[in-house]
Amino acid sequence: DAKTTQPNSMESNEEEPVHLPCNHSTISGTDYIHWYRQLPSQGPEYVIHGLTSNVNNRMASLAIAEDRKSSTLILHRATLRDAAVYYCILRDGGGSQGNLIFGKGTKLSVKP
Amino acid sequence: DTEVTQTPKHLVMGMTNKKSLKCEQHMGHRAMYWYKQKAKKPPELMFVYSYEKLSINESVPSRFSPECPNSSLLNLHLHALQPEDSALYLCASSLVPGPPYEQYFGPGTRLTVT
Repeated sequence: DAKTTQPNSMESNEEEPVHLPCNHSTISGTDYIHWYRQLPSQGPEYVIHGLTSNVNNRMASLAIAEDRKSSTLILHRATLRDAAVYYCILRDGGGSQGNLIFGKGTKLSVKP
Repeated sequence: DTEVTQTPKHLVMGMTNKKSLKCEQHMGHRAMYWYKQKAKKPPELMFVYSYEKLSINESVPSRFSPECPNSSLLNLHLHALQPEDSALYLCASSLVPGPPYEQYFGPGTRLTVT
């Protein structure tokens, strides 16, 4: 599976936007970009995913670079509840099972 | 109902015990997963069940034995575990295996092996 690179940690202020970057320079044409987050003492939670186009849902937006070698998860107004580890994961849609292989993720801290 | 439930929440067992972890979902999902998460580490995939059949075993020791009795239920049978097996065991499900289908995770069972 192609790998992703994320910063170890980021800080944000409450009610401000947060941009979480992810580099995936070896992405293949069939790889989906998935984001999950894990709040303290909870199981991971799906956030958003995309293939080529930018995506929006009620939780976040996903901006995918034109060459697909990087992407950014955007939380429009961070709340204290958004403090979590955010995982950017590539999932192969080209015939394999495309399992979730978690990397180290980015630990997001939100300051009041 | 988008909930995956896991029981028990906590489990302490000795190295000679036999215990089981249980996972349940009623979303009609046909893929179910077991993950292991050590403290301050990301989750690691252990097993994948697809349509009640084991499709992936990520080289997990035989002291962990998964079972999928029906499409809603997933068990993980534990026997002769080692202290290093202490971890959070997470269950997940998805509509079918593979992308683009998201996985729904349970809260996990925190296992301590003494």
